[in-house]
This record gives sequence, C-alpha cells and structure tokens, in this order.
Amino acid sequence: LAKTTQPISMDSYEGQEVNITCSHNNIATNDYITWYQQFPSQGPRFIIQGYKTKVTNEVASLFIPADRKSSTLSLPRVSLSDTAVYYCLVGDRGIPTFGRGTSLIVHP
Amino acid sequence: DAGVIQSPRHEVTEMGQEVTLRCKPISGHDYLFWYRQTMMRGLELLIYFNNNVPIDDSGMPEDRFSAKMPNASFSTLKIQPSEPRDSAVYFCASSLGGGQFGYTFGSGTRLTVV
Repeated sequence: LAKTTQPISMDSYEGQEVNITCSHNNIATNDYITWYQQFPSQGPRFIIQGYKTKVTNEVASLFIPADRKSSTLSLPRVSLSDTAVYYCLVGDRGIPTFGRGTSLIVHP
Repeated sequence: DAGVIQSPRHEVTEMGQEVTLRCKPISGHDYLFWYRQTMMRGLELLIYFNNNVPIDDSGMPEDRFSAKMPNASFSTLKIQPSEPRDSAVYFCASSLGGGQFGYTFGSGTRLTVV
C-alpha cells in the first residue's frame, strides 16, 4: 500500500481557497487517490476520488499531475465549518489505511 | 438509506467487563471494516470482512478482541476482558466492491473503560 505524506496542520481564513497537498511517491498503476474529511466526534466522510488529471464535485477539486506522485485537494472559499481533519488515501480495492491527516483550522 | 449504524454511541464500563459494539452496514455493501481511533495512534484498522468472511484481522490488538459478522446486515466487535487502554472511539465502515466508490463510516462508539 502506497504511503502518503501530508502536512500535519494548516491555518486559513474564511473566504480563502485552501490547497492541501499529499505526496505518494510509491503509488501503483491501479491505485486511486481518495480524500476524506473528519469532524470532531464523527466518522470520516468521503469527499472526492480521482485517478489522474482533475476531478471536481460540489465540495472540492482534486488535482493530480501526470506522474501521480502527489495530489492536491482544493477547497474553494472555506468557511468556519470546513475546520476538520483531511485524510489522503492511496490504494486499489481493499484496505483503506489512514495516516495522521491534515488538521485544517479556519479562522474568522 | 440510513447509512452505517453503530450502537451504542457511548459506553462506559469497568475494567474486566465484556463490551460488545454493534454495526449495521449499508444494505448491499459487501465490505465491512472496524477501526479504532485514539489521539496517540490515530485511525487504526482492526479487521475487515468481505461477504461476511473475515479477510484480515492483523490489526486486532490481542486475543481479548474478537469480531463476527453472522450475516450481511450485522457485525459485532467484542472486547473481553476490557482494559483502560481500550478506551477509544470505535468506527465501523462499509463499502461496495472494495472501496473504489469510497467508504461510508458510522458515527462511532466512544468507549471508556474505568
């Protein structure tokens, strides 16, 4: 299973765009890249998943360069309610293994 | 769908007692996972099932922990006897087809062993 590296924490302000980058140098050909969000006292929640290039949904965008050794989760115009821990997962079918994630704090 | 349902939401028990955590996965999902989350160790995968069969239990900390999935709509995680170091939030998650469509987590059970 490909190992991932993310910043431990990030700070932002309401209305700003936040980009969280995840490194996964050993990603395999069949691996997908998935991001989850976890609020305090809740289970992780699926945000977005991609394989290559760019994926966008109503919550976020995911940018994946051609070599797929990293990915960037982009949250447009964050609000206080986006304060959470964000996890990057890389893998094929099977075991979802979570790292420590990135703790994002959004300030007024 | 009501999502993944876990019970109880909170459990306080005394050291040495048996604890049983319950999970109802999303109907139609063929994978079920049990996780444990603590501040020190983050989210740890304990065990997962595919079509009700345990596939990998290498994350189960010791023999005091056991998990069963008697049918596609129910799973239990049992700790016997419980110890204070078992205090954590236990999450159950389910998925269709191994996860390429994402995993859905329950709200967790917060276990406190005193």
